[in-house]
Amino acid sequence: GDSVTQMEGPVTLSEEAFLTINCTYTATGYPSLFWYVQYPGEGLQLLLKATKADDKGSNKGFEATYRKETTSFHLEKGSVQVSDSAVYFCALSDTMYSGGGADGLTFGKGTHLIIQP
Amino acid sequence: GAGVSQSPRYKVAKRGQDVALRCDPISGHVSLFWYQQALGQGPEFLTYFQNEAQLDKSGLPSDRFFAERPEGSVSTLKIQRTQQEDSAVYLCASSQVEREQFFGPGTRLTVL
Repeated sequence: GDSVTQMEGPVTLSEEAFLTINCTYTATGYPSLFWYVQYPGEGLQLLLKATKADDKGSNKGFEATYRKETTSFHLEKGSVQVSDSAVYFCALSDTMYSGGGADGLTFGKGTHLIIQP
Repeated sequence: GAGVSQSPRYKVAKRGQDVALRCDPISGHVSLFWYQQALGQGPEFLTYFQNEAQLDKSGLPSDRFFAERPEGSVSTLKIQRTQQEDSAVYLCASSQVEREQFFGPGTRLTVL
């Protein structure tokens, strides 16, 4: 079955540091890949997505590139801020955008990011 | 426009009680999903509706869990005879078909 593995947290960085959160996946087909963010006390929000190999998703200074050869979708940001402190989830869908119907997302366990001033 | 809303936001139940959790999706969204998120874990898929049809319920952990969406809009997740292992945050998401899912704030269920 499908699965997503992401680095365990918490990850603690100083403000303006470079961020990488690793995510690798296992899927049967050509999945679409997502990063969701959960700020304290709020619901899950879509941060960025990529629907095919070599696509780069980007939003709010965050980027992730869909690497089919390494089955990875690592999240990066060049200079983090205190306001980026949150839990980040990598997720995939086997059928979204593929014409295969719809299915639930498969999520990783989440990575808690703490940015210190 | 309004996002996905869920009620109640918090629910405390005694073991053995039945609970009902409500989800109001974004207006016009055909697809509706329920997820269960245990403490420190990622959300896990429970069930999926397209309009009023429940097309996938493969993630429901037992026959004590039941979901419905009778008019293709509001959905209710019902848990009968709650047990301690049912304690979790229950998330609802809605979407256009095959598009991004938008999540509600969740209902935190605590079973004592």
